[in-house]
Amino acid sequence: GEDVEQSLFLSVREGDSSVINCTYTDSSSTYLYWYKQEPGAGLQLLTYIFSNMDMKQDQRLTVLLNKKDKHLSLRIADTQTGDSAIYFCAESMNRDDKIIFGKGTRLHILP
Amino acid sequence: KAGVTQTPRYLIKTRGQQVTLSCSPISGHRSVSWYQQTPGQGLQFLFEYFSETQRNKGNFPGRFSGRQFSNSRSEMNVSTLELGDSALYLCASSSVTEAFFGQGTRLTVV
Repeated sequence: GEDVEQSLFLSVREGDSSVINCTYTDSSSTYLYWYKQEPGAGLQLLTYIFSNMDMKQDQRLTVLLNKKDKHLSLRIADTQTGDSAIYFCAESMNRDDKIIFGKGTRLHILP
Repeated sequence: KAGVTQTPRYLIKTRGQQVTLSCSPISGHRSVSWYQQTPGQGLQFLFEYFSETQRNKGNFPGRFSGRQFSNSRSEMNVSTLELGDSALYLCASSSVTEAFFGQGTRLTVV
């Protein structure tokens, strides 16, 4: 079946790197995503990675994919207070297919 | 380019009533998906419409329904509301390359 698991909370000091981890079960997933949700807002796509890639970097964001272990991670370098949000890991077969989400990791930034 | 617009933003209904939520996708997008977000269950897929046809459906009871119009605008309807239907309902407008989410409609059932 389809399932995406991620830890619910993460606390990080401002300026440090944040690493949010996720595991998924559907080996046929082609696209893996990270979405950000700020309080009172909808979902914002941060980045995505194809299942045939190992890594994708976009400014402060680095996504690592271990397809063998079905493990996805999001690293945010130099974490800022504005990064405080809930981060959702998600998967889909195609870009316009239904998206299966994890329950989200709430990132809390410590001063 | 305007984003995904969901109306209303907030809604309070009583048990047993029905509700209709609206989603206007990004111009040119033909696919609209609906998701329910609750603290307990997280984000769950409801259904997806493409060119006025339901293309995909999640595991929700028949009280949840939707439709899409020729201009790609979509509505979802929940009949005989239950307290557990209280949630944030998110609409996503998709091109072949990306899904964009609206800010959602927060439905509270009392």
